[in-house]
Amino acid sequence: DAKTTQPNSMESNEEEPVHLPCNHSTISGTDYIHWYRQLPSQGPEYVIHGLTSNVNNRMASLAIAEDRKSSTLILHRATLRDAAVYYCIVANAGGTSYGKLTFGQGTILTVHP
Amino acid sequence: DAGVTQSPTHLIKTRGQQVTLRCSPKSGHDTVSWYQQALGQGPQFIFQYYEEEERQRGNFPDRFSGHQFPNYSSELNVNALLLGDSALYLCASSLTSKGFRSYNEQFFGPGTRLTVL
Repeated sequence: DAKTTQPNSMESNEEEPVHLPCNHSTISGTDYIHWYRQLPSQGPEYVIHGLTSNVNNRMASLAIAEDRKSSTLILHRATLRDAAVYYCIVANAGGTSYGKLTFGQGTILTVHP
Repeated sequence: DAGVTQSPTHLIKTRGQQVTLRCSPKSGHDTVSWYQQALGQGPQFIFQYYEEEERQRGNFPDRFSGHQFPNYSSELNVNALLLGDSALYLCASSLTSKGFRSYNEQFFGPGTRLTVL
């Protein structure tokens, strides 16, 4: 699986947008970009995934660079509940289907009231 | 839907002992993966079970073994415990896709906190 690079930590104010970057320069053509987050004292939870096009769901948006070597997770209006560790994971379709997720250190997001 | 459940929530063992952790997958899921998460680190993949067989394995020694039952629930066994085995053990379930490039998100349980003294 391709290696990812994320900032160790980021801060935001409540109700403001948050842009969480991820670099994955060794991504291959069949690799998906996945985002999971882990709230305090909980297991990770799925946020969003994409392959080539930008994606939106009820939780967030995923903006993927044209060359796919980087992506950005966008939380449109951060809430206190969004404070978590956010993991960007790159894995191919086969890897995804077989379920092996390779987690890095992630980005610790702090949301201020 | 109860989601993924794990038992016990906490466990304390001493070095050299053996431990068994249990996981019940989300309803309708047939695949179970196990992860180890040391304090301050991201989860590390141990192995995955599908159709009662180990399908993939991460970089963990043979002291780590598992089992999947016909009802898709799973156990993680760790023998000869070391201090370094102290961690949060996470179980994740998913539905194995039969389609090309189909995506199967994983649902994680709350984990079992294992402390080895």
